[in-house]
Amino acid sequence: RKEVEQDPGPFNVPEGATVAFNCTYSNSASQSFFWYRQDCRKEPKLLMSVYSSGNEDGRFTAQLNRASQYISLLIRDSKLSDSATYLCVVNSGDTGNQFYFGTGTSLTVIP
Amino acid sequence: EAGVTQFPSHSVIEKGQTVTLRCDPISGHDNLYWYRRVMGKEIKFLLHFVKESKQDESGMPNNRFLAERTGGTYSTLKVQPAELEDSGVYFCASSQEVKTGSTDTQYFGPGTRLTVL
Repeated sequence: RKEVEQDPGPFNVPEGATVAFNCTYSNSASQSFFWYRQDCRKEPKLLMSVYSSGNEDGRFTAQLNRASQYISLLIRDSKLSDSATYLCVVNSGDTGNQFYFGTGTSLTVIP
Repeated sequence: EAGVTQFPSHSVIEKGQTVTLRCDPISGHDNLYWYRRVMGKEIKFLLHFVKESKQDESGMPNNRFLAERTGGTYSTLKVQPAELEDSGVYFCASSQEVKTGSTDTQYFGPGTRLTVL
């Protein structure tokens, strides 16, 4: 079983739409959770960390459900510039600080 | 502040040859990580340095891969001899000191795209 599971998409949405991505993780010892964004042929860049209480950064909202081992990202009022691959990332918890990545969810925002 | 840099950006070699990838972390970052993305798969961990010491090398595929970080600054990852399945994008990441019970954000370099023919 993969450490992190994500729906690869693709998600094609019109500008202004709201879109939600989900991921699940298998290691209950994981302590830190992130959403990274990756543009085509570029490196992953941190979008936001995910906290148990949920957190918001502008149009982006991240949620964590530890009991269900589930992480979500909500993007409101989608912009063309939001088109990218969104990577769900979870740390290894007790075994160290390595990151486990999902395969990524592809988003295209259409004019 | 300069980010993580990697060299080369692309490398095309033949099976059996040797390739050495270099990573320069963000200045002052004790932690350096190597990851790899094989086409169609997720990014996978290779190893983790804390300063010059290998903290975790559980992700290294086999003994054809050798990583070093002499002096605790830049790191090299050598593949010798390269095989077809080694093709992919090799990412380096760095983070500041990791305190017990917490995880520092990892900042990624642009990656080296390796193609083995």
